[in-house]
Amino acid sequence: ETGVTQTPRHLVMGMTNKKSLKCEQHLGHNAMYWYKQSAKKPLELMFVYNFKEQTENNSVPSRFSPECPNSSHLFLHLHTLQPEDSALYLCASSQASGTSGAWEQYFGPGTRLTVT
Amino acid sequence: GESVGLHLPTLSVQEGDNSIINCAYSNSASDYFFWYKQESGKGPQFIIDIRSNMDKRQGQRVTVLLNKTVKHLSLQIAATQPGDSAVYFCAAPRRGFKTIFGAGTRLFVKA
Repeated sequence: ETGVTQTPRHLVMGMTNKKSLKCEQHLGHNAMYWYKQSAKKPLELMFVYNFKEQTENNSVPSRFSPECPNSSHLFLHLHTLQPEDSALYLCASSQASGTSGAWEQYFGPGTRLTVT
Repeated sequence: GESVGLHLPTLSVQEGDNSIINCAYSNSASDYFFWYKQESGKGPQFIIDIRSNMDKRQGQRVTVLLNKTVKHLSLQIAATQPGDSAVYFCAAPRRGFKTIFGAGTRLFVKA
């Protein structure tokens, strides 16, 4: 397996469900990201982890809970979501240099989430 | 607030012609600018970057031009092919690990 992988690719969940999205990178990177991509809107950064430490939380509602057990794995735990949370959730990774992530990012294929 | 945006949401070109996708930015502090390509059903894919101290950078069939005076950059694709059909994003890294992405230009290639 190479690059950045995400599972599941598609997810339909009710507003009372709890589910998790998984991301794994095989690039040896130390920074990992969660983005939300909605139709006709720019990519929205949600969370960033650098060497397993969360460095960014872009005012994301608490119904989204990230977890980074090591530099290769990233999870996004979901609970009591709203229909407006339906979107494509993208994971990415990049090199990291100290406190800077000014490197190109490598994205997974995304999880298409539908909240009913 | 600061922004990175593309001029046109869609662009349609004939196969074999050159494509030019434009992007404007508001903050001059970025050391780099990036271009990404997102095909249907896939995540964005890094294409090429350019340092802020450069005016031009060439890759394989792609050229990036940066005009810092007017805060504008462009991605030129030579001899556009059907496989180039995708959404193209410009992006600029910010402090820490934030990157600002534009809304994207969808490129249609007509056979």
